[in-house]
Amino acid sequence: AQTVTQSQPEMSVQEAETVTLSCTYDTSESDYYLFWYKQPPSRQMILVIRQEAYKQQNATENRFSVNFQKAAKSFSLKISDSQLGDAAMYFCAYRSGDTGTASKLTFGTGTRLQVTL
Amino acid sequence: NAGVMQNPRHLVRRRGQEARLRCSPMKGHSHVYWYRQLPEEGLKFMVYLQKENIIDESGMPKERFSAEFPKEGPSILRIQQVVRGDSAAYFCASSRGSGGLGEQYFGPGTRLTVT
Repeated sequence: AQTVTQSQPEMSVQEAETVTLSCTYDTSESDYYLFWYKQPPSRQMILVIRQEAYKQQNATENRFSVNFQKAAKSFSLKISDSQLGDAAMYFCAYRSGDTGTASKLTFGTGTRLQVTL
Repeated sequence: NAGVMQNPRHLVRRRGQEARLRCSPMKGHSHVYWYRQLPEEGLKFMVYLQKENIIDESGMPKERFSAEFPKEGPSILRIQQVVRGDSAAYFCASSRGSGGLGEQYFGPGTRLTVT
């Protein structure tokens, strides 16, 4: 079974600074997808960024980028130029790429990000 | 294009009552997933359904919980004889397919409180 580990329960960053959230995972599969979801106080789950395991290039979405290290099974999220609206819980998630199996998401326990002035 | 709809957003039930949570997937999506988030925890997978079929229910408690996704209408997560430990946020997600088409979009969740 796949597992996702987020070892940082809480992180804090000053506005306009950069912060990196860590995520490691364990799988025996070669084809899979990794995601970062943001959950603000409204509790809505918002997809921030995704990475296909077969792509070597790290995904980037505006101020959000990932450092995907497949061999190390590491998938960290970097938030640049942090804004107050970035304050939220951030969840790392894994999904199998095998179309023959159920595509459930396996989530980590989350990192609560605080953004200070 | 409307997103994933869930209702009710908040549901209060007394112990022993039944709770019915509804989820309407995004237009064009035929795959539905239910997840549960206990207070201060991450989301845990419960069940994966396609129209009229349960594909994976490995995360569903063996008793009191059931799910369906009929040919017409929303997906329903049903909890019978609720207990305090069922208090949680229940999220529904939908996708167009699986594998590369399996991008999941989440609804706003239903917060169930059992008194």
